[in-house]
Formats: sequence, C-alpha cells, structure tokens
Amino acid sequence: KQEVTQIPAALSVPEGENLVLNCSFTDSAIYNLQWFRQDPGKGLTSLLLIQSSQREQTSGRLNASLDKSSGRSTLYIAASQPGDSATYLCADFSGGYNKLIFGAGTRLAVHP
Amino acid sequence: EAQVTQNPRYLITVTGKKLTVTCSQNMNHEYMSWYRQDPGLGLRQIYYSMNVEVTDKGDVPEGYKVSRKEKRNFPLILESPSPNQTSLYFCASSSPGLYNEQFFGPGTRLTVL
Repeated sequence: KQEVTQIPAALSVPEGENLVLNCSFTDSAIYNLQWFRQDPGKGLTSLLLIQSSQREQTSGRLNASLDKSSGRSTLYIAASQPGDSATYLCADFSGGYNKLIFGAGTRLAVHP
Repeated sequence: EAQVTQNPRYLITVTGKKLTVTCSQNMNHEYMSWYRQDPGLGLRQIYYSMNVEVTDKGDVPEGYKVSRKEKRNFPLILESPSPNQTSLYFCASSSPGLYNEQFFGPGTRLTVL
C-alpha cells in the first residue's frame, strides 16, 4: 500500500531564500506525481505534474524532480516570496482507482 | 475558463437532514472524484467515477452516495448526515488522455450539528 510522507511538516524562511520541500513514497510503481498548493480553507491548485517517465518539471520559480529508484520527489522554490506562503501537498496517482494518495503537506511561511 | 465548480461552498445543517453537494466540470473529463479533508487525516477519497454511470467506492464511502448521469456532473449525496461528516469536501476531475492531472474544485465546508 502506497504511503506518501512529506518533510518538513512546517517551514518558516525569510523572503528571498531558495528552499526545498521533500516528498517520499514507498511504492516506486507510480503513474505520476503531482504537487499542489493549498491556501488556508481554500481549494487545491495544481503546480506541477511529473509523469513516471520524467525526471523533472519546471514552472517559473518552481522545479519539481522525481527519483523513483529512491522513492523521492522534491519541490524547489527559488527566491521565495511572502505570497508563496501556503501548504504544499504532493500526491501520487497510482492504481486503477482514479485516486490520489496525498502526503500530509508542508506548511510554508515566508516572512518579509 | 476551465474549472471545477462546487455548490454550496458553505453549509451548516442538522443531523439527519438529507443534502446534496453538486460538482460540475467544463473540461469534458472522464474521471471525477470526491475527497474529504480532515485535520490530522489529510485528504481521503470518498467515491470516484471513471465515466457516465460508472462509479465505485473510495477509501471512506460510508454515509455517502454519488451518481454520474452526465459526464460533467458528479453530485455527492448525504442521505442522513451525522456530525462525523463535518469536513471540507473537494471534487476533482481528470482525463486519462491528459496524464490524469487532477483539477480540484474550491471546496465545500460542511458542518453537521
């Protein structure tokens, strides 16, 4: 059974820092891995999707990598801004059940 | 604009009073799902549908029903809501032809008294 873990659970950084959020999974037979952003009490916004055959995806200041052999994905945020403050969730889409298996999230606070 | 919409966004109700949360997507996606999000438990799938008239249980289906009569709509029905169904609910849709990238609705915050 797939388990997804995110470390750290919370992170507070000053504006301008580059930072890395970690996501690990137990079953390497994933279909794709998706990173989301969630603002408090709000919906989930898709940030990046990495297909199983890919190693990384980039969008603006965000870069996500995937290493299936080690069971890890990382989300790199360059030059962080206060507007990046949110909870970041990674999720594995696997199996034939149209199901995302989510990590618990990393709560990020970027202070000016 | 491509989107998933849910209604209502907020609902306070009482135990036993039937309710329906609607979900609609305008992206012609085949797959749709319902999730609930609870503190400490994260997001868990309730039901999913892979196409019209094709639905199946997710991880926490007890107390819920769904239907998929049209491709764009996937309502969530609580026949007799109970306080343990107080939660934040999300509808999602995706297409296998688009790598199953999941698109989520804005959420429905339900309180059952």
